[in-house]
Amino acid sequence: AQSVTQLDSQVPVFEEAPVELRCNYSSSVSVYLFWYVQYPNQGLQLLLKYLSGSTLVKGINGFEAEFNKSQTSFHLRKPSVHISDTAEYFCAVSVTGGAQKLVFGQGTRLTINP
Amino acid sequence: GAVVSQHPSWVICKSGTSVKIECRSLDFQATTMFWYRQFPKQSLMLMATSNEGSKATYEQGVEKDKFLINHASLTLSTLTVTSAHPEDSSFYICSAHRDSSYEQYFGPGTRLTVT
Repeated sequence: AQSVTQLDSQVPVFEEAPVELRCNYSSSVSVYLFWYVQYPNQGLQLLLKYLSGSTLVKGINGFEAEFNKSQTSFHLRKPSVHISDTAEYFCAVSVTGGAQKLVFGQGTRLTINP
Repeated sequence: GAVVSQHPSWVICKSGTSVKIECRSLDFQATTMFWYRQFPKQSLMLMATSNEGSKATYEQGVEKDKFLINHASLTLSTLTVTSAHPEDSSFYICSAHRDSSYEQYFGPGTRLTVT
């Protein structure tokens, strides 16, 4: 079975500062990795995904993440945040191939202060 | 492309009644859809995997007789909460898997309040 741990439940950051949201996973088989963002009372929007290939993945809204297999991590980063980035962020994994269910981390609440 | 809708976006029902939530893939066919439940300030928990034309696969601890899932076509899956109780109040989110992709596309969610 797979599991995901998001190491920070809340991350407060000042506007225009860099941010890193941490995600570690556990799996005995190969996985795909995802980061989603959720704004209040809305569904999830995909920020980026790692399927294979380059370990540095770039996504929407200036976010990027790096897959580290040896450390089983997939941390999300942004060099300069904006007020509009305030949201809940979820890391998720699925087993590779086909329509596989997602296992989510607990979520990290990113709060941007002016 | 890859838009998923849910209806209704919010619903209030009385305890003991049933409520149906629809999940539609608007511009693609989805052989597989997923239903998640999210409590306030918590993560998403998978309830069941819905496959077109076959019975849904429920996660451990989810009552299949209470949460009825029907995936009658390649663009529609429904979740019916039967004999709803206040503890069923939650945010229900569906997602649809497009066969040509490795990702799921999420609906906007349905807020259910049982009074």
